[in-house]
Amino acid sequence: DAKTTQPNSMESNEEEPVHLPCNHSTISGTDYIHWYRQLPSQGPEYVIHGLTSNVNNRMASLAIAEDRKSSTLILHRATLRDAAVYYCILRDNYGGSQGNLIFGKGTKLSVKP
Amino acid sequence: DTEVTQTPKHLVMGMTNKKSLKCEQHMGHRAMYWYKQKAKKPPELMFVYSYEKLSINESVPSRFSPECPNSSLLNLHLHALQPEDSALYLCASSQNGRTETEAFFGQGTRLTVV
Repeated sequence: DAKTTQPNSMESNEEEPVHLPCNHSTISGTDYIHWYRQLPSQGPEYVIHGLTSNVNNRMASLAIAEDRKSSTLILHRATLRDAAVYYCILRDNYGGSQGNLIFGKGTKLSVKP
Repeated sequence: DTEVTQTPKHLVMGMTNKKSLKCEQHMGHRAMYWYKQKAKKPPELMFVYSYEKLSINESVPSRFSPECPNSSLLNLHLHALQPEDSALYLCASSQNGRTETEAFFGQGTRLTVV
């Protein structure tokens, strides 16, 4: 399985941008970079994903390094509701046709009012 | 509708009981997953179904038995569980299981084995 490395925890102030880093030096050419988050007592929630180009959606932006060995999830204005564990995952081609989501330890984001 | 519904939300069972967890989605997704999550740990993949066929079993003990009766429904049958099997069991689905598709998760079933 491809692996990712994330900081265990990060803190942010409310209404400020947050940059959550992820290293994935063993990424292969067909692996998509996925981000999910898990709020307390809830199931994981999809945030964003991408392959090579930077991606934006209503929740966040994903900046992918040119060599694809790292990426950064950007929350433009953190709110208290964004306090969660954020998982950076390489969805790989397990068995050639399946893209499984194998979770690492993630980053616990705390947001201060 | 981007919802994955899991029932029951909570379950307490004895070590000799047989119970089932249910997961349902109506998004037309053809890949469905079971995960197990212990407290303060990340979810661990258990099973993957692709087009109603079991494609991956991550060396899960036989006391957990998955079933996919149709493309919308996924069950996890439980028998002779141990207290260490107590955890949050999460179901997920994605359009076709390929790397470029996102997954949607249910809220989970919190299982306690006594």
